[in-house]
Amino acid sequence: DGGITQSPKYLFRKEGQNVTLSCEQNLNHDAMYWYRQDPGQGLRLIYYSQIVNDFQKGDIAEGYSVSREKKESFPLTVTSAQKNPTAFYLCASRIREKAWDTGELFFGEGSRLTVL
Amino acid sequence: GDSVTQMEGPVTLSEEAFLTINCTYTATGYPSLFWYVQYPGEGLQLLLKATKADDKGSNKGFEATYRKETTSFHLEKGSVQVSDSAVYFCAVRSNDYKLSFGAGTTVTVRA
Repeated sequence: DGGITQSPKYLFRKEGQNVTLSCEQNLNHDAMYWYRQDPGQGLRLIYYSQIVNDFQKGDIAEGYSVSREKKESFPLTVTSAQKNPTAFYLCASRIREKAWDTGELFFGEGSRLTVL
Repeated sequence: GDSVTQMEGPVTLSEEAFLTINCTYTATGYPSLFWYVQYPGEGLQLLLKATKADDKGSNKGFEATYRKETTSFHLEKGSVQVSDSAVYFCAVRSNDYKLSFGAGTTVTVRA
């Protein structure tokens, strides 16, 4: 089955440590996204990538980094510079070819990061 | 930039009650509008969408109509079930890459 796989589902980190969240998709989608979800604040865009080897900052990129070396993979690193990293992180993808693009984002099941 | 304002929750209903969640948006041009649903412990999934004015999106008994004159896309369902308990997000897309989400509305349906 095609879809988006995020891992780990739950992660605990000590303050001052970097942590990397994995996102893999086998939908052959060009565009991939990372969102952060906090209670009462909806989803906020961290980074997005429209093609391999290219990515742009979203609304809350500070303290995060990404890479896009392969079409199917878009890992997110939460660095020690992120002041409030405890949150639910969602990865998403979208097809970009105009003939097939309905605008829909396909989401993974999320990774919950807790900083101790 | 684009933004979405949706009704604050939480909303608690009895089974078979009528549900409406208000959503208004600010965007340039002719945006596409979406409702996503998030069940406990899961990611978001698309519930319905509309891409132009007066379009009605529908799915699983839910409906929403794209009203450009009032910049609204209210979600409705005539008779909710316990399985409809979830968080509902309204979203708008007016440029190529970015979907802007509302804060989400938590809906709980009691048997």
